[in-house]
Amino acid sequence: GENVEQHPSTLSVQEGDSAVIKCTYSDSASNYFPWYKQELGKRPQLIIDIRSNVGEKKDQRIAVTLNKTAKHFSLHITETQPEDSAVYFCAASSTGTASKLTFGTGTRLQVTL
Amino acid sequence: EAGVAQSPRYKIIEKRQSVAFWCNPISGHATLYWYQQILGQGPKLLIQFQNNGVVDDSQLPKDRFSAERLKGVDSTLKIQPAKLEDSAVYLCASSFAGRGHEQYFGPGTRLTVT
Repeated sequence: GENVEQHPSTLSVQEGDSAVIKCTYSDSASNYFPWYKQELGKRPQLIIDIRSNVGEKKDQRIAVTLNKTAKHFSLHITETQPEDSAVYFCAASSTGTASKLTFGTGTRLQVTL
Repeated sequence: EAGVAQSPRYKIIEKRQSVAFWCNPISGHATLYWYQQILGQGPKLLIQFQNNGVVDDSQLPKDRFSAERLKGVDSTLKIQPAKLEDSAVYLCASSFAGRGHEQYFGPGTRLTVT
C-alpha cells in the first residue's frame, strides 16, 4: 500500500518568512496530492491540492510543487502570518472509485511575531 | 452548502463498553469515509463507502469495529467492546465521486476510553 512520509515534524518561522514542508510517497500510481490544515481541536480543511498532470499550483500565498520522478511534493507558504500556525498534513491517493487517502504524520507550524 | 455533520462531539466510556458515532455527509456526496486520528498523528482510513457499498475496509479492526451506511446517506460507526487504545478523534468525511476527490471533513467525535 501507499506510504507517505512528511518532514519536518515541527517548524518555527518568524512572521513574514517562508515555510516549506516536504512529503514523499511510495506508490507510483498515486496521482492526487492534497494538503490539509488542521487548527487545534478543529477539523482538517483542504487548502490546496495538485494532480499528477501538473508540476506546480499556486493560490495566493501558498503553492505546491510535485516531482513525479522523485515521488515527492512540497507545500510552500510565503509571507507567513500568525494565523498560518496549525498542523499541516499532506496526503496521496490514486484516482478512481477507491480513492483512498493516505496521510503523512503532520507538521506543526508555528509562526512567531 | 451545509457541511458534514457528526454526533456526538465528545464521548467518554469505560473499556469494554460499546459506543456508536453518527455521520451525515454533504448532500449529494456518494462517497463517505471514516477516519481514526490518534493524538499527534495523521488521520487513518478505517472504512470507505461508495453509496451504501463498502469500497475499502482493510484497516478496520473487524473484531470490534463495524460500520454501515443504510440507504447510501447517513452512516454509523460502532465499537464493541472498546479498548483503551481506541481513544482518538473519529472523523467522517465525504466527497462527490466523479468531480475530483476533494474530501470534506466533519468536526469529529473525540472518544476517551477509561
